[in-house]
Amino acid sequence: DVKVTQSSRYLVKRTGEKVFLECVQDMDHENMFWYRQDPGLGLRLIYFSYDVKMKEKGDIPEGYSVSREKKERFSLILESASTNQTSMYLCASSPTSLEDNEQFFGPGTRLTVL
Amino acid sequence: KQEVTQIPAALSVPEGENLVLNCSFTDSAIYNLQWFRQDPGKGLTSLLLIQSSQREQTSGRLNASLDKSSGRSTLYIAASQPGDSATYLCAVLFSGNTPLVFGKGTRLSVIA
Repeated sequence: DVKVTQSSRYLVKRTGEKVFLECVQDMDHENMFWYRQDPGLGLRLIYFSYDVKMKEKGDIPEGYSVSREKKERFSLILESASTNQTSMYLCASSPTSLEDNEQFFGPGTRLTVL
Repeated sequence: KQEVTQIPAALSVPEGENLVLNCSFTDSAIYNLQWFRQDPGKGLTSLLLIQSSQREQTSGRLNASLDKSSGRSTLYIAASQPGDSATYLCAVLFSGNTPLVFGKGTRLSVIA
């Protein structure tokens, strides 16, 4: 079974802190994604990566950066956390093959910024 | 703009009913369509993936259909149970090098 894990289920940080959210997948997937999910707004794509050391901006990249140094790991960085970044953060991965690119999600990290 | 719409936003049914969840998308040029389930406070669980060349996929009590020409997909749940209560999301991989586009989901409540 594909497994996507996220470093924390719940996280509480202070405004201005630098925050790291880690995501690891064990199925050798090329593609990895970071989303945030807020009530009424649905899933919004922050950043994604189609390969090691590659990154692409999603719909709402402002205030975030990412790192993909290894194929299995995709990190989301909040350079200076703000209260409006309080949200559920979801990581996902998928293979590149169009014949079988089912996307799998991690359990999510509920981040609260005080 | 490529969009995915799910109507209704919420649905409540009595236990045992067969039900259909709807998903529509704006462009028929797609690679595939995926249905997910999400329980409160949890991540998304993949239910079914339908390739553009397929008309339907089945898994247990779930059956998903795809009609590309009309830009529609349905998720049929047979003999619904309270454990089916969750939010169901539809996502489309449109042709071109773009990530999945998600609908906002339908929140299903199955009442015992």
